[in-house]
Amino acid sequence: DIQMTQSPSSLSASVGDRVIITCRAGQSISTYLNWYQQKPGRAPKLLIHAASSLQSGVPSRFSGSGSGTDFTLTISSLQPEDVATYYCQQSLRGHTFGQGTKLEIK
Amino acid sequence: EVQLVESGGGLVQPGGSLRLSCAASGFTFSNFWLSWVRQAPGKGLEWVGNINTDGNYITYGDSVKGRFTISRDNAENSLYLQINSLRAEDTAVYYCAKDLRRGSDWGQGTLVTVSS
Repeated sequence: DIQMTQSPSSLSASVGDRVIITCRAGQSISTYLNWYQQKPGRAPKLLIHAASSLQSGVPSRFSGSGSGTDFTLTISSLQPEDVATYYCQQSLRGHTFGQGTKLEIK
Repeated sequence: EVQLVESGGGLVQPGGSLRLSCAASGFTFSNFWLSWVRQAPGKGLEWVGNINTDGNYITYGDSVKGRFTISRDNAENSLYLQINSLRAEDTAVYYCAKDLRRGSDWGQGTLVTVSS
């Protein structure tokens, strides 16, 4: 399996802050990288696919970038409803996930 | 509208077996790869495996090889996960997902609890 490592594992920020979550792949995965948001008791919700394509209906404050082994998810202005756990997932070979980043409001 | 509805979860004793199902609608089932993903209580997402459109190519995550079998029935628009020799660490919500390369469609999950 291709290993995916996210950082940080948890994060506390204020409303309006810019938040950046990083994801590193154990080998190059081109742009075969998705980002998900998951709230308690709910299935994951796709935010970004192919590293930087915003899923329809997702607020434009979310953006993704990167290719190869290093990727970022950016929330440009944190909102209270963004409290959730965020996961990256590679889809070059199989579909391994990062360990998650729990985002809270300060 | 794409719908994926998992069923078959419940309380099972260690060493037992279980077959999970995922009923699909709202898309041409036979055209898409499908996956199973699980999530233990309070833990992250773990990819279990996937199956191609014809059902003749199946891949499993390293941590589940050997006891898990994925299959599909394109005539019934259904995906299956057979789990044998269940262990406490298999306790999780099991999700089915359509085309994880795109990632936009998931079921609501079914809870499997392994306990005596």
